[in-house]
Amino acid sequence: QLVLTQSPSASASLGASVKLTCTLSSGHSSYAIAWHQQQPEKGPRYLMKLNSDGSHSKGDGIPDRFSGSSSGAERYLTISSLQSEDEADYYCQTWGTGIGVVFGGGTKLTVL
Amino acid sequence: QVTLRESGPALVKPTQTLTLTCTFSGFSLSTSGMCVSWIRQPPGKALEWLALIDWDDDKYYSTSLKTRLTISKDTSKNQVVLTMTNMDPVDTATYYCARISYSSGHFDYWGQGTLVTVSS
Repeated sequence: QLVLTQSPSASASLGASVKLTCTLSSGHSSYAIAWHQQQPEKGPRYLMKLNSDGSHSKGDGIPDRFSGSSSGAERYLTISSLQSEDEADYYCQTWGTGIGVVFGGGTKLTVL
Repeated sequence: QVTLRESGPALVKPTQTLTLTCTFSGFSLSTSGMCVSWIRQPPGKALEWLALIDWDDDKYYSTSLKTRLTISKDTSKNQVVLTMTNMDPVDTATYYCARISYSSGHFDYWGQGTLVTVSS
């Protein structure tokens, strides 16, 4: 079964960096994922697609502060130079043939 | 410029059928590999995928909700319609439509969402 696992919460200080993790279920470590950001009271926004080799392509207008990397079944989103507007929920998402779309449970990022 | 906009009733009664429309621009759903999907989010909860329709009129549904969902498209109007039968208060959520392509496997553009409340 294709499942994406995310920690429910994370926090980091203004100006610091934070690394969020999305873990693919066993047998699915080659899957690419996407990261989406959802700021409070707003709809989701596509951040980037992240491949298993760590290569990634970002959406329109996404700052260089956002980057992605991969290691095995783990997919990471790193946000550097944290700003107050980065406080949001972050979701990973993937797609499986015959399975459909799968979302992780989301990570709520608090900027201290 | 790609845009998607959801429309439909803000309030439905239990047991009624919900019909939502996604009107999009900036791309064509007749382009090979192009798809539009529906996703919902109950208040304070995570995103939940509902259904997807592709350029070839193939349809995919969430396993847990497939008996209640129907997705369709009108390519000439640039619209995708979702119907959900037998609505219940637990279906209260913000409903989003989003664009996805088979080549990418991810949503790259989202609508702003529409809140649907199920209450008598």
